[in-house]
Amino acid sequence: ETGVTQTPRHLVMGMTNKKSLKCEQHLGHNAMYWYKQSAKKPLELMFVYSLEERVENNSVPSRFSPECPNSSHLFLHLHTLQPEDSALYLCASSRTGQGYTFGSGTRLTVV
Amino acid sequence: DQQVKQNSPSLSVQEGRISILNCDYTNSMFDYFLWYKKYPAEGPTFLISISSIKDKNEDGRFTVFLNKSAKHLSLHIVPSQPGDSAVYFCAASDGAQKLVFGHGTRLTINP
Repeated sequence: ETGVTQTPRHLVMGMTNKKSLKCEQHLGHNAMYWYKQSAKKPLELMFVYSLEERVENNSVPSRFSPECPNSSHLFLHLHTLQPEDSALYLCASSRTGQGYTFGSGTRLTVV
Repeated sequence: DQQVKQNSPSLSVQEGRISILNCDYTNSMFDYFLWYKKYPAEGPTFLISISSIKDKNEDGRFTVFLNKSAKHLSLHIVPSQPGDSAVYFCAASDGAQKLVFGHGTRLTINP
């Protein structure tokens, strides 16, 4: 356990489904991130939340909707996804100026 | 524009020998560098970091070297062990919240 917990670990969803990924940290960090890792591609930053405000959105399609209700929790709401959205979705948290602590990820398969 | 580059997608090293993973960066504002290690189906885990005020940082079998004039850093693992087989990501920060990651290098340690 790294201190950043992601649930579920695995998710299979149809293209018309709505699901949510959850991330939780109790490390006292003030920033949280969503990354996407597809096969044979680098880590792609999706969203950054700092002090619960979204400070970065890297041209992510609107079918991905993040939510950060407080400094310890981060969600990624998914709807009408495409098969190419199948990937490992990683959550991370950090304190300003320090490195990230990653969760174990959610392996998402869109069928 | 890839600001952090790991030009070797893969590297094979014999057990007991030295593994050297390389990373180049283009942004002269980067002042903090990290290496992460990632096993399949898991999130990246922090390995070692170095601040731009240093040129070397050592932690057990792992040493990171920084050459600011060349904008180059490297991770040395000696002696290499089978459990070191993983994907290694180089990351850099300019003091702001966001880390920029390289594409990763897959290290395989052969018995």
